[in-house]
Amino acid sequence: AQSVTQLGSHVSVSEGALVLLRCNYSSSVPPYLFWYVQYPNQGLQLLLKYTTGATLVKGINGFEAEFKKSETSFHLTKPSAHMSDAAEYFCAVTLTGTASKLTFGTGTRLQVTL
Amino acid sequence: GAVVSQHPSRVICKSGTSVKIECRSLDFQATTMFWYRQFPKQSLMLMATSNEGSKATYEQGVEKDKFLINHASLTLSTLTVTSAHPEDSSFYICSAEYNEQYFGPGTRLTVT
Repeated sequence: AQSVTQLGSHVSVSEGALVLLRCNYSSSVPPYLFWYVQYPNQGLQLLLKYTTGATLVKGINGFEAEFKKSETSFHLTKPSAHMSDAAEYFCAVTLTGTASKLTFGTGTRLQVTL
Repeated sequence: GAVVSQHPSRVICKSGTSVKIECRSLDFQATTMFWYRQFPKQSLMLMATSNEGSKATYEQGVEKDKFLINHASLTLSTLTVTSAHPEDSSFYICSAEYNEQYFGPGTRLTVT
């Protein structure tokens, strides 16, 4: 079975600072990994995904994540935080490429301060 | 882009009554839809996988007689919470699969 762990339920950064949201996975086979963002009272929106190939994945809104097999990690980063980045972020894993049967982490709430 | 809607966005019902939540894919057809439950400050928990024209597949521990799922068409899946109790109060989110999962905005259910 697969699982994901998101370290830090709440992260606060200043506007313009680096954003780093951590995600570690556990999987018996090569995983497919996703990051989703959830704004208040909205559904989840896909930020980026890793399936195969290049381990550095670029997504929307300036976010990127790097798949590191040796560290079983898929941390989400953004060089410069913007106020509009404040939201809940979920890391997810599946063993198939179609995002079926997603297993989600517990989420990290990102706060961006002036 | 692919849009998924849910109706209602919020519902309050009395204990013992049933409530139906609709999930629609607005601009694409989805043979598979998913229903999740999200508790406060917790992750999304997959409840069931809904396939058009066939019975839903429920995850372990989810009562299929309490959470009735119907996927009547390629654009509509419904979740009916039967004989609701306060412990069923939660945020319910659906998603529809079209190469990837597209999520609805969620439905906040409060059972009094």
